[in-house]
Amino acid sequence: DQQVKQNSPSLSVQEGRISILNCDYTNSMFDYFLWYKKYPAEGPTFLISISSIKDKNEDGRFTVFLNKSAKHLSLHIVPSQPGDSAVYFCAASDPGTYKYIFGTGTRLKVLA
Amino acid sequence: EAGVTQSPTHLIKTRGQQATLRCSPISGHTSVYWYQQALGLGLQFLLWYDEGEERNRGNFPPRFSGRQFPNYSSELNVNALELEDSALYLCASSGQEPSYNEQFFGPGTRLTVL
Repeated sequence: DQQVKQNSPSLSVQEGRISILNCDYTNSMFDYFLWYKKYPAEGPTFLISISSIKDKNEDGRFTVFLNKSAKHLSLHIVPSQPGDSAVYFCAASDPGTYKYIFGTGTRLKVLA
Repeated sequence: EAGVTQSPTHLIKTRGQQATLRCSPISGHTSVYWYQQALGLGLQFLLWYDEGEERNRGNFPPRFSGRQFPNYSSELNVNALELEDSALYLCASSGQEPSYNEQFFGPGTRLTVL
């Protein structure tokens, strides 16, 4: 049973517009969430994180929103750039086990 | 600062053989995590080592095992290889509070089982 879900396997956005990547989770005990970006043939790289005590975290063009009641988080990229084209994974930290549970990823393509 | 390194980059084995994958964490990191990314699937948690001990494992059979050495590097061993073990195996490391520190990933080892 997938505890962290990214229901959109792919997303295409025009350069300069906003990219919104979504992630849903089922376990209300998750207390920390992260987004990773992965280019082909490379390991994932950390992008941005958010603690469950917050509902928003911003870092440059990247903003993560957390809606705990809906068990939903989203990553906004504004403005989107062609170099943002990659696979984006959301991950949740299980405080009881220290496991990081990842979603299946969303492939973002930013069109020039 | 050197990142997480993994070796080999690619590994080709046949069914029934054993595979050994290696990982060196970022200097100062004591936790090492192993993940499997099979085709079409997300990252699946395999194992977590910290201070030389296995702290947690994911839903994988016992033929997936590993260890962490005193220098915090780690090995992942997969015995009795099966075709479905073909995947990208990623190693990550983090500092002393793994639930609040980001994990830094290596480039991965692509294992192909023929």
